[in-house]
Amino acid sequence: GAVVSQHPSWVICKSGTSVKIECRSLDFQATTMFWYRQFPKQSLMLMATSNEGSKATYEQGVEKDKFLINHASLTLSTLTVTSAHPEDSSFYICSAQDGGRREEQYFGPGTRLTVT
Amino acid sequence: GQQVMQIPQYQHVQEGEDFTTYCNSSTTLSNIQWYKQRPGGHPVFLIQLVKSGEVKKQKRLTFQFGEAKKNSSLHITATQTTDVGTYFCAGPGNFNKFYFGSGTKLNVKP
Repeated sequence: GAVVSQHPSWVICKSGTSVKIECRSLDFQATTMFWYRQFPKQSLMLMATSNEGSKATYEQGVEKDKFLINHASLTLSTLTVTSAHPEDSSFYICSAQDGGRREEQYFGPGTRLTVT
Repeated sequence: GQQVMQIPQYQHVQEGEDFTTYCNSSTTLSNIQWYKQRPGGHPVFLIQLVKSGEVKKQKRLTFQFGEAKKNSSLHITATQTTDVGTYFCAGPGNFNKFYFGSGTKLNVKP
């Protein structure tokens, strides 16, 4: 089956620093990847849609300069949280669609970010 | 973004009892997806419904898509402890996006 990996699985950083999270589709090409944020005991909030070779599309209220997304290849998308603050602490999950069709999303295992 | 409401927020059942979660949208959905997220895990795709009035079964799980394609339900018959987790519905937005409902957390007591 389709596998999506995320790295790192958890990270602790200091306020003001930047953190990069990688999302990879291991056995399929993903023209579209999605980045979600999930607070404890809450649902997944779509942050942005990452399209290979083009700019990401951000959801309303998500700061594009703070959450930098790059989809450099058909198997890799990265999310960089710039100048992190404690309120950025959250669970970040990526997902990918095989071929960009409106079908099931394959989720990565998530990255737990803690900003101190 | 697309607003998809889900009820109940929590459900505690005794093992063997049935469980149902409901998903409602104010607008017509072209399709709807269901996911399960185990505690500490990530969402896993369960099913996609496309047709009006569609009913699909996966063992003890029954999924329905309303005639008006504005609501959907997931029913689990005779719950087991392995059913524990949060069940999310997800409705489509533009450009292949999906917006997740608030989720229903199921706890099954043995």
